[in-house]
Amino acid sequence: SQQGEEDPQALSIQEGENATMNCSYKTSINNLQWYRQNSGRGLVHLILIRSNEREKHSGRLRVTLDTSKKSSSLLITASRAADTASYFCATEKGGTYKYIFGTGTRLKVLA
Amino acid sequence: NAGVTQTPKFQVLKTGQSMTLQCAQDMNHEYMSWYRQDPGMGLRLIHYSVGAGITDQGEVPNGYNVSRSTTEDFPLRLLSAAPSQTSVYFCASSYQGDGYTFGSGTRLTVV
Repeated sequence: SQQGEEDPQALSIQEGENATMNCSYKTSINNLQWYRQNSGRGLVHLILIRSNEREKHSGRLRVTLDTSKKSSSLLITASRAADTASYFCATEKGGTYKYIFGTGTRLKVLA
Repeated sequence: NAGVTQTPKFQVLKTGQSMTLQCAQDMNHEYMSWYRQDPGMGLRLIHYSVGAGITDQGEVPNGYNVSRSTTEDFPLRLLSAAPSQTSVYFCASSYQGDGYTFGSGTRLTVV
């Protein structure tokens, strides 16, 4: 079974709006990472948040982590058409060095 | 160019054939992993390595072998190809798990 599950599975918004996607996981983690995948391409690392951090920013990205609820959220502010992609969270499964990905959120930003 | 190089980019195999997917990185990363991506399934971990001479199984290891004789290379061998192994395969590397760099993928079709 997947370690991480993203929600929603698909999201369609207008350019300029904010996009929020969530990730839930099952076991204790050292860190949680978010990746973007443009259609047909490899994944690109966006941001990493460690288990002792609650919030992190990188440009238009804001990530939060709630270890008590085993969940994380990725907020993309002022979205652009170029943000259209699939977004995945990844977690290390219980100190095993296995990085497990969720099923992803497909984001479509309409111009 | 620094990064993760996967070859070939496309491959068609007949059922029962064997082949090796190549993966090389020039960033001196200790961690390397192989994932497969199927529609609607996200990425699933096949095998991973935390250093030369050290490999371990991921979520879906059956039908695949790996070895890690050098830090740079992490080949994935399909022992006897089956149609269920039709997928896109991604290799990724990381410095101690802090954000993976992905290759561009190998699209494999087994007929």
